Amino acid sequence: EPEVTQTPSHQVTQMGQEVILRCVPISNHLYFYWYRQILGQKVEFLVSFYNNEISEKSEIFDDQFSVERPDGSNFTLKIRSTKLEDSAMYFCASSEGVTVNTEAFFGQGTRLTVV
Amino acid sequence: AQTVTQSQPEMSVQEAETVTLSCTYDTSESDYYLFWYKQPPSRQMILVIRQEAYKQQNATENRFSVNFQKAAKSFSLKISDSQLGDAAMYFCAYRSVYSGTYKYIFGTGTRLKVLA
Repeated sequence: EPEVTQTPSHQVTQMGQEVILRCVPISNHLYFYWYRQILGQKVEFLVSFYNNEISEKSEIFDDQFSVERPDGSNFTLKIRSTKLEDSAMYFCASSEGVTVNTEAFFGQGTRLTVV
Repeated sequence: AQTVTQSQPEMSVQEAETVTLSCTYDTSESDYYLFWYKQPPSRQMILVIRQEAYKQQNATENRFSVNFQKAAKSFSLKISDSQLGDAAMYFCAYRSVYSGTYKYIFGTGTRLKVLA
């Protein structure tokens, strides 16, 4: 069964460094998302991406963050100059279409630890 | 803005017993979808069940059913005949029909332990 895959499963980085979290969405899906969950808190929406551009972003998704679909298969989240508070689980998701009842499929997450 | 609250950080259930996970939400919208997702340890979140707000009948999927109380803004998940494989983190999520990208608004999750 097709699935969304994320790499790495765990990333440790020094504060101030740049990290790239990678996701391979399901191949025929058109809509892509990043969410994050800080330990003990809600899973929060970061950004949605469609047709090679951001379709919606939350207030969390500031200039420190960027997304890219560099090669038609990968979907990446870049965090520039990481901060301690960026430590969280980051989930990638993809969806075949955007109707309200269309299921989004999630990756297993990347745990980012900023030290 | 919509919010989703899961007040039970952790629940335990004996194998073969029934457990109910709670979820409440806040919205001023009249139509929306609600979802329960399950995330086994180190695995992807997978959809368990979904419910449209306009449908009065509670959704069921095999051993999983919901108790949807629209006026109370409550959406609980009942797992019957619990199995060891049901052990996971369960997330309740809200999706607006008016949002162009149909993003999810999640709760904090409930970790379910199944005791043999």
